[in-house]
Amino acid sequence: AQSVTQLDSHVSVSEGTPVLLRCNYSSSYSPSLFWYVQHPNKGLQLLLKYTSAATLVKGINGFEAEFKKSETSFHLTKPSAHMSDAAEYFCVVSTGGFKTIFGAGTRLFVKA
Amino acid sequence: EAGVAQSPRYKIIEKRQSVAFWCNPISGHATLYWYQQILGQGPKLLIQFQNNGVVDDSQLPKDRFSAERLKGVDSTLKIQPAKLEDSAVYLCASSPGLAGGRNGYEQYFGPGTRLTVT
Repeated sequence: AQSVTQLDSHVSVSEGTPVLLRCNYSSSYSPSLFWYVQHPNKGLQLLLKYTSAATLVKGINGFEAEFKKSETSFHLTKPSAHMSDAAEYFCVVSTGGFKTIFGAGTRLFVKA
Repeated sequence: EAGVAQSPRYKIIEKRQSVAFWCNPISGHATLYWYQQILGQGPKLLIQFQNNGVVDDSQLPKDRFSAERLKGVDSTLKIQPAKLEDSAVYLCASSPGLAGGRNGYEQYFGPGTRLTVT
C-alpha cells in the first residue's frame, strides 16, 4: 500500500524568508515523487520530481526537495519566498506505474 | 505544443441528471488520467488509461461513473445519475508514459471542469 501525508495544511511565511513544506510517504515499492503547484484559477504545474537518481532535486522557481529514504520524506524548500509563491502545493507519490496518490495539499501564504 | 483540453469548463446540473466531460490529451501521450478534486482536498485519481486500456480504476464509483478512451486519444467521463457529493472539479491529465517507475513521467493537467450538482 502507498500513501502520502502533507504535515501542514497551511504555512505562512514573510517575503524573503525560507519556505519548508513537509511531505512523508509510504510505499511498498521504489516510488517516484513529485511536487505540483496550483495557483488560484490556474492548472496544476510540476515543480520537480524524484525518480531514483540524485536525492537532491532542483525544480523551477528556486524550489528544491530532498529524498530521504530512511525518513520516508520528500520535503520541499526554497531559500527565499516571493509573493508569487503563494499557492497550493501538492506532494504526489507514484509507484509501479499504476498508482498515483496526491497529498491533501499545503496552502502557502506569503506576507509582505 | 498544445496543452490538455477539457470541455465544458463549467457545468451546473440537478441531482439525478447525467453529465459528460470531454478531454483531449497532448498529442502522442499514451497515458491519460481523470481526477476528482473536491474543494479543499487534493485530487483523487478516478481512472487511468494506458493507450485505450484501463490500468487502474479502483477508485471509480462504477455504479454511476464510467469512462472510455476511444482509439487511445480523446476520453469521456460520464456521471449518471449525479449526486450532490459529486460537486467537484474534474481534472484530466496526460503523460508520455506511466508516472511511476524509473522514468517517472510528469503529468500535464488540463484546466478542469467545475461541476455543481444542485
